[in-house]
Amino acid sequence: KQEVTQIPAALSVPEGENLVLNCSFTDSAIYNLQWFRQDPGKGLTSLLLIQSSQREQTSGRLNASLDKSSGRSTLYIAASQPGDSATYLCAVVTSGSRLTFGEGTQLTVNP
Amino acid sequence: NAGVMQNPRHLVRRRGQEARLRCSPMKGHSHVYWYRQLPEEGLKFMVYLQKENIIDESGMPKERFSAEFPKEGPSILRIQQVVRGDSAAYFCASSLGVLGATDTQYFGPGTRLTVL
Repeated sequence: KQEVTQIPAALSVPEGENLVLNCSFTDSAIYNLQWFRQDPGKGLTSLLLIQSSQREQTSGRLNASLDKSSGRSTLYIAASQPGDSATYLCAVVTSGSRLTFGEGTQLTVNP
Repeated sequence: NAGVMQNPRHLVRRRGQEARLRCSPMKGHSHVYWYRQLPEEGLKFMVYLQKENIIDESGMPKERFSAEFPKEGPSILRIQQVVRGDSAAYFCASSLGVLGATDTQYFGPGTRLTVL
């Protein structure tokens, strides 16, 4: 059974700081890994999708890496801004039918 | 192209009542997924449907919960005889096809169910 763990559960940083969110998964037989953003009371926004054959993906100030063999992914956020404050969710696809989510990292960026 | 639509956005029910949650997938998507997010927890898979078929319901409680995706109209998640523990955010997602290396699911805004 696939399990996804995210560390830390919560993170508070001053504006401008670079930060790293961590995600680990127990079953390395994944199709892809995705990072989502969830704002309070809202749905999920897909940030980055890394295919199982890829090592990293970049979008603007975001960079996600994937080490499938060790079951780990990191989301790097450069020059953080208050607007980045949200919960970040990591999820993997190991079968054709579902995403398995971690419990998220709640990020607060203080002005 | 409208995104995934869910209604209602907020639903309040008393214990023992029925809750009916609706989800309209993105245009052209025939795969629908339901997830539940309990307070302070991550999203948990409940059920995966294609038009008129339940493909995987392994995440759905065996009793009181049912889901359908008819040929016409939205997907419905039905919870009978609700209890306080059913209070949660229920998210629907849709995809163009079976999830693979390059496919993603698109999520709706969720329905927040409160059971009094």
